[in-house]
Amino acid sequence: GEDVEQSLFLSVREGDSSVINCTYTDSSSTYLYWYKQEPGAGLQLLTYIFSNMDMKQDQRLTVLLNKKDKHLSLRIADTQTGDSAIYFCAETSGGYNKLIFGAGTRLAVHP
Amino acid sequence: EAGVAQSPRYKIIEKRQSVAFWCNPISGHATLYWYQQILGQGPKLLIQFQNNGVVDDSQLPKDRFSAERLKGVDSTLKIQPAKLEDSAVYLCASSPLRRQTTYEQYFGPGTRLTVT
Repeated sequence: GEDVEQSLFLSVREGDSSVINCTYTDSSSTYLYWYKQEPGAGLQLLTYIFSNMDMKQDQRLTVLLNKKDKHLSLRIADTQTGDSAIYFCAETSGGYNKLIFGAGTRLAVHP
Repeated sequence: EAGVAQSPRYKIIEKRQSVAFWCNPISGHATLYWYQQILGQGPKLLIQFQNNGVVDDSQLPKDRFSAERLKGVDSTLKIQPAKLEDSAVYLCASSPLRRQTTYEQYFGPGTRLTVT
């Protein structure tokens, strides 16, 4: 069935890199996404990767996709306090490409 | 470009009461979604519209939840009667329908529902 799993919590020091990991189950997913949610706010699309790509870089963000292992990661370089939020991994599923979300990883950035 | 609008932002009701949420998607977006996000979990799709037709409502508790999207623009989600376990944030999202698409969805700020 459809399932997306993430670790629940990550704590990093300001200026270090953060790596958030995700595993998914639907091998037919066309796109995989990373969304960011700040307190009291909706979800903001951070980046996405097409399923035939291994890597995508977008400024401080690097997405790595291992399709064989169904593993997705998001690396944030030079993590700042403003990056503190919950990060959701999502896969597309089904003919109408609905999104299946993980439970989210809470990133805490400390001085 | 204006984002997805939702109202109200917060709602507190007693169990067995009714409640309705409203969503106005981004102009021109053909697809509209309603998600339920329970505290500590990721959003779960309740219903997906393409224009004013339903394409997926497999996870909508149809005995108490209903949704409509008149004229393919605004949408309302209703719960009648509410249960304690309906306490959650209800998120509306929209996405464009075009030949080359990455299926990205744009989310509104959500409505936080508390059922007491």
